[in-house]
Amino acid sequence: AQSVTQLDSHVSVSEGTPVLLRCNYSSSYSPSLFWYVQHPNKGLQLLLKYTSAATLVKGINGFEAEFKKSETSFHLTKPSAHMSDAAEYFCVVSGGGYNKLIFGAGTRLAVHP
Amino acid sequence: GAGVSQSPRYKVAKRGQDVALRCDPISGHVSLFWYQQALGQGPEFLTYFQNEAQLDKSGLPSDRFFAERPEGSVSTLKIQRTQQEDSAVYLCATLSRGDSPLHFGNGTRLTVT
Repeated sequence: AQSVTQLDSHVSVSEGTPVLLRCNYSSSYSPSLFWYVQHPNKGLQLLLKYTSAATLVKGINGFEAEFKKSETSFHLTKPSAHMSDAAEYFCVVSGGGYNKLIFGAGTRLAVHP
Repeated sequence: GAGVSQSPRYKVAKRGQDVALRCDPISGHVSLFWYQQALGQGPEFLTYFQNEAQLDKSGLPSDRFFAERPEGSVSTLKIQRTQQEDSAVYLCATLSRGDSPLHFGNGTRLTVT
């Protein structure tokens, strides 16, 4: 069975500093992994997706994530945080043959001026 | 429309009432998912349709929950005899064929009083 664990429920950074949101996954086979972002009262938006091509995946808004099989990790990073990055971020693994998504509990990112 | 549309946006029900939540998918999207997102949690899978066929309903929490998609387009999630623990945001997501991403609606926030 597939699962993801987001290691931090809350992360707080200052504007202009790097962002690191941590995610570990568990999967019985080569997984598809995603990061989604959810702004207040908005729908879930796909940031990026890993599907066994390149291990370093670039997404929208300057985010990227690196798939590390040896560490079963898929951490999300951004070099410089912007105020508009404040949101809830979900690490997600795809299970089954029909894109069933399994979400982590989420990390709330706060960005301070 | 351009995206997945869910209605109503907000629903308040008294305990014991029945509710019906609607999802209008993107035109032509074959796959449709329902998710439940409790406050402070990640979305949890409820059920999956491929066209009109409900292929997976393993996530429905009780027999009070029922979903249908009779013509393979609009879907309705029905909750009978609502309980306080049913309070959550209910998300609909759809997917066209192939390796395309899920498109999420903005959800229906259900509050059971």
